Amino acid sequence: KQEVTQIPAALSVPEGENLVLNCSFTDSAIYNLQWFRQDPGKGLTSLLLIQSSQREQTSGRLNASLDKSSGRSTLYIAASQPGDSATYLCAVRPRPARYNQGGKLIFGQGTELSVKP
Amino acid sequence: GAGVSQSPSNKVTEKGKDVELRCDPISGHTALYWYRQSLGQGLEFLIYFQGNSAPDKSGLPSDRFSAERTGGSVSTLTIQRTQQEDSAVYLCASSFAGQGIGGAFFGQGTRLTVV
Repeated sequence: KQEVTQIPAALSVPEGENLVLNCSFTDSAIYNLQWFRQDPGKGLTSLLLIQSSQREQTSGRLNASLDKSSGRSTLYIAASQPGDSATYLCAVRPRPARYNQGGKLIFGQGTELSVKP
Repeated sequence: GAGVSQSPSNKVTEKGKDVELRCDPISGHTALYWYRQSLGQGLEFLIYFQGNSAPDKSGLPSDRFSAERTGGSVSTLTIQRTQQEDSAVYLCASSFAGQGIGGAFFGQGTRLTVV
């Protein structure tokens, strides 16, 4: 059974600091891995998606890496800002066993990030 | 509409009652997903609709849960005989067919509280 773990559960940093969020998964048979952001009382916003054949993806100050063989992904946030404060969720999409199983993601519990001005 | 719309935004119900949660996907999106987020379990997949294909219901936790998607657009998630453990935020998302969940947009959710 696929399990996704995120460390740390919570993180508080001063503005301007670079930081790394960690995600690990137990089954390397994944289709892709995705990082989301969730603000309080709101839905999810997709940040980065890494296909199983890729090693990393970058968007602005965000960089996500994937090491499928070791079951790990990291989300690197450069020059953090107070607006980055949110919960960051890692999710893996398992390889579908049937044609209609493309909608399932398995989520970690999230890392709650607070960036202090 | 501009985004995925869910209603109601909050629902308080008594244990044992039935509830219906509604999701209006983005116009033109053929794929629709339901997830729930609870304190003890995090985010869990419930059900996935894709066009006219048979939905993937593998995430529904019990036979008290069911979902329909009428006319390939609006979806309703129904929970019968609600229990306290059903209390959670129910999130709906939609996407174009080829994008899958990776290209999905999420609604703001319905917070269900069973008392």
